[in-house]
Amino acid sequence: GAVVSQHPSWVICKSGTSVKIECRSLDFQATTMFWYRQFPKQSLMLMATSNEGSKATYEQGVEKDKFLINHASLTLSTLTVTSAHPEDSSFYICSASGTSGRVSYEQYFGPGTRLTVT
Amino acid sequence: GENVEQHPSTLSVQEGDSAVIKCTYSDSASNYFPWYKQELGKRPQLIIDIRSNVGEKKDQRIAVTLNKTAKHFSLHITETQPEDSAVYFCAAAGTYKYIFGTGTRLKVLA
Repeated sequence: GAVVSQHPSWVICKSGTSVKIECRSLDFQATTMFWYRQFPKQSLMLMATSNEGSKATYEQGVEKDKFLINHASLTLSTLTVTSAHPEDSSFYICSASGTSGRVSYEQYFGPGTRLTVT
Repeated sequence: GENVEQHPSTLSVQEGDSAVIKCTYSDSASNYFPWYKQELGKRPQLIIDIRSNVGEKKDQRIAVTLNKTAKHFSLHITETQPEDSAVYFCAAAGTYKYIFGTGTRLKVLA
């Protein structure tokens, strides 16, 4: 149980375009979803936290108008990178937590999305 | 702000030896400490975790210790194998947010 999927697994887009990444909890209700960014050889950096039906909370330094997060249902959150630039190229990983974890806030990670902006 | 320091950044050990990775956290409200193994291009995988009301936990070759007073926690891998080679991250969580350490690249030499 507690499976999280992401789509797409990789995407290449041109500079200036927008890209949407989906994160789904397949077998549990995710009351909270998290979006992380991971640059090569670096740690996971939390970008934002979203609760179903409410606005996302962004970490300091993350532009909310550039990284649009929608958590419209208990099984789906989306991250849209708007007007992407090469410096946005990274590995984007979502995680989800709900009521099914052993620890109430245990996070289950998606497989990640490799974004390359040319 | 909250942060988690992790050492060492790289660690090479001979197959069969032990590996120890240490983390220090700053937020005294942290009460859950998971450890993740991440292979290149893949998602982090939870390998062991510990809650603040426990000082030590073991699962086969992997163990974690926690010193709440000093705000230190450590991962111990015994009898290392080549397939243990990966990047390991510690994390500290207070309520819902995870603060990750900087990662340790472990190489197990055959």
